[in-house]
This record gives sequence, structure tokens and C-alpha cells, in this order.
Amino acid sequence: AQTVTQSQPEMSVQEAETVTLSCTYDTSESDYYLFWYKQPPSRQMILVIRQEAYKQQNATENRFSVNFQKAAKSFSLKISDSQLGDAAMYFCAFQGGSEKLVFGKGTKLTVNP
Amino acid sequence: DTGVSQDPRHKITKRGQNVTFRCDPISEHNRLYWYRQTLGQGPEFLTYFQNEAQLEKSRLLSDRFSAERPKGSFSTLEIQRTEQGDSAMYLCASNFGDTLYEQYFGPGTRLTVT
Repeated sequence: AQTVTQSQPEMSVQEAETVTLSCTYDTSESDYYLFWYKQPPSRQMILVIRQEAYKQQNATENRFSVNFQKAAKSFSLKISDSQLGDAAMYFCAFQGGSEKLVFGKGTKLTVNP
Repeated sequence: DTGVSQDPRHKITKRGQNVTFRCDPISEHNRLYWYRQTLGQGPEFLTYFQNEAQLEKSRLLSDRFSAERPKGSFSTLEIQRTEQGDSAMYLCASNFGDTLYEQYFGPGTRLTVT
């Protein structure tokens, strides 16, 4: 069974600075997808960024980028120029041959003005 | 609003009662998912449908839980004889096609069993 581990329960960053959230996963599958989802307080979960395992190039979406290390089974999220609206729970998720998403426990990000 | 909607948003029930939640996916989406999220945890997969067919169920989905999607549109999740351990946020998500398409999540139904 796949597992996703987020070792940082909480992180904080100053507005306009950069922060990196860590995620590791375990799987025996070779084809899979990795996601970062954001869950703001009392609001629904939204997709931040997606990475296909077969792609060597790291995904980037505006201020959000990932560092995907397939051999190390590591998938970290970097948020540049942090904004107050980035404050939320961030979940790393894995999707393999099954349609289900397997989530980590999440990292609570606080952005300090 | 054309996003995923869930009803009710909050439900308080007494132990032993039955509850039913509803999820309306984005209209063109043929896949619908249910997840459960307890405090301090990430969502855990419960089940998913493609059109009206229930294709996968987690072992978390005990006999007290049943889900339906009768016409391939909205879905219901029923919990019979609720227990305090059922207290959680129940999330619904939908998408169209295959893995390449992100799952769009609804706001969730928060269940409290007293």
C-alpha cells in the first residue's frame, strides 16, 4: 500500500519570503501522479500543482514549484514570494493505478506579515 | 456556482441514529469520490463511482456505510447506527475522465456524533 509522509506539521514564513514544504512517499508502482492540495480554513480543498512521475522536469505554477526526486521518493513544494493568502493546510497526495488519492497528514502554513 | 456542492454542511446527531449526506458533482463529471477527514489528518478514501457504478470501496467503509449514485449524477452517503468514531468531515470530489484530471472537492459535510 502506498503511504505519504509529511514530516512538518507546521511551518511559518514571512510575507514575501520563500518556504519549502516536504513530502516523501512509498510505492512500488512506476507510473503515478503526485499532487499538492491547499485547504484554507473552512474552505474547500483546491489543487496547487501536479507532477507526473514519468516527467523529469519539475512542475511550476506561478509562485509554486516542486522538487521531484523520483529515486528518493521525495516531492517538496516551494512557495516563492509568500502572500497572506497562502496561509492554509497543505496536503501532499499520491495517485497510482487506483483512482483514489492517498494523502499525507498535512502541513499547516502560517504567513506572518 | 458550478462547483461541487454538499448538503448539509453540518450535521449533529445522536449515537445510533442514521444520517444521509448528499453530493452534487460538477455537471459534466462522470467520476465521483467520497473521502473522510478526521481532525489533524489528511482525507482518507472511502469509495468512488464512475457514472452509476461503484468501482472501488475502501475497507474503511464498514457495513454501516453505504453509498449510491443512482442516475450517475448526485450521490448519497448513508451511515447507519452512527458511532462517535464516525465524527469527521466527509468530503466529496468529482472529475471527468482519468487520472490526468484533477479531483474537484466540495466544501464537505461536518458530522458530529454525540
